[in-house]
Amino acid sequence: KAGVTQTPRYLIKTRGQQVTLSCSPISGHRSVSWYQQTPGQGLQFLFEYFSETQRNKGNFPGRFSGRQFSNSRSEMNVSTLELGDSALYLCASSLAPTGANVLTFGAGSRLTVL
Amino acid sequence: DQQVKQNSPSLSVQEGRISILNCDYTNSMFDYFLWYKKYPAEGPTFLISISSIKDKNEDGRFTVFLNKSAKHLSLHIVPSQPGDSAVYFCAASGGSNYKLTFGKGTLLTVNP
Repeated sequence: KAGVTQTPRYLIKTRGQQVTLSCSPISGHRSVSWYQQTPGQGLQFLFEYFSETQRNKGNFPGRFSGRQFSNSRSEMNVSTLELGDSALYLCASSLAPTGANVLTFGAGSRLTVL
Repeated sequence: DQQVKQNSPSLSVQEGRISILNCDYTNSMFDYFLWYKKYPAEGPTFLISISSIKDKNEDGRFTVFLNKSAKHLSLHIVPSQPGDSAVYFCAASGGSNYKLTFGKGTLLTVNP
């Protein structure tokens, strides 16, 4: 059973550019969540999607957006990149968005903004 | 407002001894708690969880204790092994908001 796949694994962008990250969940998982990990801040929740609908959103500016497709694959987009957006972006999937569901994480996409 | 707090950024333990990682939370609506382990260049992996109806859950060398009145949980690893060296994240969820809220993590180093 394939795990959660995130692409690209590493990318470098410059300030002002935009970036799109992709996440393929475990087959059968319909809920996808995104987290940002930075040193000293742990995992900060970005948003969660279930059945193509955003169910939850974290405290991030509108430059951060996402979507989920009918096959449960998800993308997140960050526009007008800032230096502070440099981070590891983690995607996680679960069967459904209930609190008792265990999230399975991908390896992450490491974004560096210069 | 940090709802899940791991106050120890790092912990160093000798191989074979007990490792105790602590976590405090402030949101009384949290009713499900999890621990994740993360190695460098990998995503976090689920370790163990506990529901608020329990006060202890064991899985092999790992035991999680929950003290609801103190809003505190801890993860015990006995005996600790060098392969346990990783960052450990505490997470919680509950109420109408199902999202997982994570602490900042504790770096555990198990020395041979």
